[in-house]
Amino acid sequence: QSVLAQPPSASGTPGQRVAVSCSGASSNIGSNTVYWYQQFPGTAPRLLIHSNNQRPSGVPDRFSGSKSGTSASLAISGLQSEDEADYYCSTWDDSLNAWVFGGGTQLTVL
Amino acid sequence: EVQLVESGGGSVQPGRSLRLSCAVSGFTFDDYGMHWVRQAPGKGLEWVSGITWNSGSLGYADSVKGRFTISRDNAKNFLYLQMNSLRAEDTALYYCAKDVDDRGSYYGGMDVWGQGTTVTVSS
Repeated sequence: QSVLAQPPSASGTPGQRVAVSCSGASSNIGSNTVYWYQQFPGTAPRLLIHSNNQRPSGVPDRFSGSKSGTSASLAISGLQSEDEADYYCSTWDDSLNAWVFGGGTQLTVL
Repeated sequence: EVQLVESGGGSVQPGRSLRLSCAVSGFTFDDYGMHWVRQAPGKGLEWVSGITWNSGSLGYADSVKGRFTISRDNAKNFLYLQMNSLRAEDTALYYCAKDVDDRGSYYGGMDVWGQGTTVTVSS
């Protein structure tokens, strides 16, 4: 059972906009910034979004992040087949004194 | 180019020990905190431990507290994870990761990850 709740799966067709949600609590998302990671099978995670909504250099602007209260969301616009991957949210938890992750969302491009 | 290369994984019996290493290059190692994160087969990511730039502050997940010890050698550009009293549930791919924040804490999140080293605990 992950501290941050994500839907196990999401899907969309090419060109569509999809959103992946991440739900937490006041001790984690409610108090700290959220990070999003993308992971392809057999490879290491890649930082997609930091500080709630900031993209590292090299990340396409089709990816965007937002946060409201104790929830966060990753949006992917203009969905492409190469976006098919697992997506994880993460933040610091003040009660656990630890980094916590969501269980991951497997995105399928139909 | 920033590079993190883990080593030291292997197959061990429950109760035994292993020491993981992470060789880093391409950035000023002692400007950054570092992390270990693991991923059990077919499962999600789990933060294991973090360390500040000067080893002044260490953090651990409850699942490994008292059994694992994180350390670093800034002169050699290495990060380590000493794992004692290993259990079957410690079986995972272990990643080292660099913190985002150049102020040396491990509160900034992880921006660059190595490719991981596999630990299998089984009798």
